[in-house]
Amino acid sequence: GESVGLHLPTLSVQEGDNSIINCAYSNSASDYFIWYKQESGKGPQFIIDIRSNMDKRQGQRVTVLLNKTVKHLSLQIAATQPGDSAVYFCAENFMDTGRRALTFGSGTRLQVQP
Amino acid sequence: DGGITQSPKYLFRKEGQNVTLSCEQNLNHDAMYWYRQDPGQGLRLIYYSQIVNDFQKGDIAEGYSVSREKKESFPLTVTSAQKNPTAFYLCASSMGGAETQYFGPGTRLLVL
Repeated sequence: GESVGLHLPTLSVQEGDNSIINCAYSNSASDYFIWYKQESGKGPQFIIDIRSNMDKRQGQRVTVLLNKTVKHLSLQIAATQPGDSAVYFCAENFMDTGRRALTFGSGTRLQVQP
Repeated sequence: DGGITQSPKYLFRKEGQNVTLSCEQNLNHDAMYWYRQDPGQGLRLIYYSQIVNDFQKGDIAEGYSVSREKKESFPLTVTSAQKNPTAFYLCASSMGGAETQYFGPGTRLLVL
């Protein structure tokens, strides 16, 4: 069935390096994508979103890239800090029987080495 | 966590017992959601409500029940029919028709 998946379950980077977290989606009807950050024992926190009519969107130290041709989404974190250590989820959003459905991937764990 | 609160933070359930998880939001959001998260996995939708006095089953509704008597509140009951209730439960809300969901801090349910 339609699903959202991630290429790398764990990503380890050095403090100060840039991080890239990838996500593949398969629902061609998805028109909105969200990245969430989840720290241990806490609820997911909204980071950044992007609509399907855009290729790139930038926030503070984060950039999301969307490649609709290959159905790929990525989250780039610049100058990664220890506080960035968490699990990152991508989610795809689409209309499903009259409601907005949000489907989550299994997550990528980002470990920042000091 | 925004304006969404969940209680308790930890909850213990005995065999055959029903337990209720609380979710309250002061964001004036129309829609509310309950998700279940198992270790190392993503979120799975249990129930959702788009408006007061109305709710719909999600992907894994069996063994759970909800009510939506007030806009601010969306409690989830884990019934004795749910044979594997140990998980992290997350409540979320969104503006009616909007896409972004905002999450509460979660409740961890453990079975004694």
